[in-house]
Amino acid sequence: DTGVSQDPRHKITKRGQNVTFRCDPISEHNRLYWYRQTLGQGPEFLTYFQNEAQLEKSRLLSDRFSAERPKGSFSTLEIQRTEQGDSAMYLCASVPGGPRENAYEQYFGPGTRLTVT
Amino acid sequence: AQTVTQSQPEMSVQEAETVTLSCTYDTSESDYYLFWYKQPPSRQMILVIRQEAYKQQNATENRFSVNFQKAAKSFSLKISDSQLGDAAMYFCAYRRGDDKIIFGKGTRLHILP
Repeated sequence: DTGVSQDPRHKITKRGQNVTFRCDPISEHNRLYWYRQTLGQGPEFLTYFQNEAQLEKSRLLSDRFSAERPKGSFSTLEIQRTEQGDSAMYLCASVPGGPRENAYEQYFGPGTRLTVT
Repeated sequence: AQTVTQSQPEMSVQEAETVTLSCTYDTSESDYYLFWYKQPPSRQMILVIRQEAYKQQNATENRFSVNFQKAAKSFSLKISDSQLGDAAMYFCAYRRGDDKIIFGKGTRLHILP
């Protein structure tokens, strides 16, 4: 499978625990985006990376959230001291980049569904 | 700030019939992309169709077509010959160049057999 993969697909955790999600983009895609989708809403932007550099963070990304993309390959999104309001689907998308017309197409992974009890 | 509005939370259509999903957006940019994404119950986001703002011709992809009205900032999706597999959430989305995507709240489409 050469698409974007995310792990785990589902995570149930108790309030106050830390969780970490992983996204593996399509090989050689240099941009990687994280979005959060709550029930009944469209996805909302959280942050994105160009290779290993984190270039933009949304106001939605509180201090409890941290994202990394070491070596510009896979990315991790960590949530510390989870709250019930963090329950959502966390989506990852990767982008090939470059000057071609289709270079900015975002390819989405299946998401990680987080439930905080 | 750019916004995307989908005014129809849910819609239903008889199988084999045609349905149109509405979307309006707000931007001060002149160069941007518009999209319709489909999210089936399995929840993986799939690109349905894309429209570049500089292109006057409406995009089509098989049974899917758009009506892009740039001056009115309107971008509707028409699904012809609806099939049971078309049942999903449909999101209208906007992107400026290589920037992040801004999504609408979605329209849940039901296909009636």
